[in-house]
Amino acid sequence: GEDVEQSLFLSVREGDSSVINCTYTDSSSTYLYWYKQEPGAGLQLLTYIFSNMDMKQDQRLTVLLNKKDKHLSLRIADTQTGDSAIYFCAVAMDSSYKLIFGSGTRLLVRP
Amino acid sequence: DTGVSQNPRHKITKRGQNVTFRCDPISEHNRLYWYRQTLGQGPEFLTYFQNEAQLEKSRLLSDRFSAERPKGSFSTLEIQRTEQGDSAMYLCASSAGSMNTEAFFGQGTRLTVV
Repeated sequence: GEDVEQSLFLSVREGDSSVINCTYTDSSSTYLYWYKQEPGAGLQLLTYIFSNMDMKQDQRLTVLLNKKDKHLSLRIADTQTGDSAIYFCAVAMDSSYKLIFGSGTRLLVRP
Repeated sequence: DTGVSQNPRHKITKRGQNVTFRCDPISEHNRLYWYRQTLGQGPEFLTYFQNEAQLEKSRLLSDRFSAERPKGSFSTLEIQRTEQGDSAMYLCASSAGSMNTEAFFGQGTRLTVV
């Protein structure tokens, strides 16, 4: 089945850019998502990209998709302390659009 | 609309007891999903409904688990004869379905089995 991998941890200084990476195995994935989870909370949808796109920009967020390498990244510009959270990459499978998640990347923003 | 609502937020139960969780999706969202999240992991798909029809169940959903969505609006997830391994966060999500692929999550129900 589909496997989604993420690095576990990223630490950046406030004001720097953060880049969170994700790889997946199933090339038939249709939509790819980034969710944010703060402690004790549910998941907040940040952005998503359709598999026929290379890039999507939404304010401070830029998503890059390399379909050949099955690699997805999320860049957060001007990272703030409020961006500290766990970020999950997820891919949608088949017509059910059920999501397969990675294990999450914990982003720590240092003042 | 206040988003996806889940109740209760927390549940502590003794091993062997039955528990039931409720999810109220965003109004007029015809797709509803249940996921389970254990500590340090991403959510894992359990099951999903399109309107009142349960269209897919994961292998993770043992026969002690049952989910319903009787009128195509709210859904319940019941776990019978709970085990310590059932301790997790249970997340509900809804989407408008069809070509709308954005799924919105509730705050989750944290289950602790003692």
